[in-house]
Amino acid sequence: SQELEQSPQSLIVQEGKNLTINCTSSKTLYGLYWYKQKYGEGLIFLMMLQKGGEEKSHEKITAKLDEKKQQSSLHITASQPSHAGIYLCGAVGFGGNNRKLIWGLGTSLAVNP
Amino acid sequence: DAGITQSPRHKVTETGTPVTLRCHQTENHRYMYWYRQDPGHGLRLIHYSYGVKDTDKGEVSDGYSVSRSKTEDFLLTLESATSSQTSVYFCAIIIPPGGPLGNEQYFGPGTRLTVT
Repeated sequence: SQELEQSPQSLIVQEGKNLTINCTSSKTLYGLYWYKQKYGEGLIFLMMLQKGGEEKSHEKITAKLDEKKQQSSLHITASQPSHAGIYLCGAVGFGGNNRKLIWGLGTSLAVNP
Repeated sequence: DAGITQSPRHKVTETGTPVTLRCHQTENHRYMYWYRQDPGHGLRLIHYSYGVKDTDKGEVSDGYSVSRSKTEDFLLTLESATSSQTSVYFCAIIIPPGGPLGNEQYFGPGTRLTVT
């Protein structure tokens, strides 16, 4: 089973709508990364969360880490077509090697104008 | 721009042929990674390197070998390509300090490999 589960797998929203993507871990999270991938391109780093309750924002994207729930959520306010792509969460590896990250399967987001 | 290039960007090859993909970085950072990305499987680590001639296996290393004879280059070789190795391959590096945990990764543009 996947150690990092992302939900939903895919999402289609109307431009201007808010949306939330979740990343849930099967184990304690020591660091959680969010990346965005445009179709056919490489991954772009968005932000990293380390401490429970931490919240960070980048333009209209906000991410939070809930340590107790072993979950991070990524919220986009007033979505735009430029937000379309695949959002991936990555976490510090659970095997003790913190130079390796494990990854969720990604959430595909489409924003209709 | 993390200064990472991958070559080739696209390749079509036949089953049974050897293939080498190259990841090049301009800043001599220590940690480099090779991933493959497939629908339904996400991003999976093939091999990584923590210095010249220092490499270790990831979760899907069978059928792949790597070499790092210079800090700036990390080569991924498919010894005898199979159709199951059709994928998009990404290289990543850690740029020090690598964020608060030292493991923030930056990715190259990817190589799309098709094995027929």
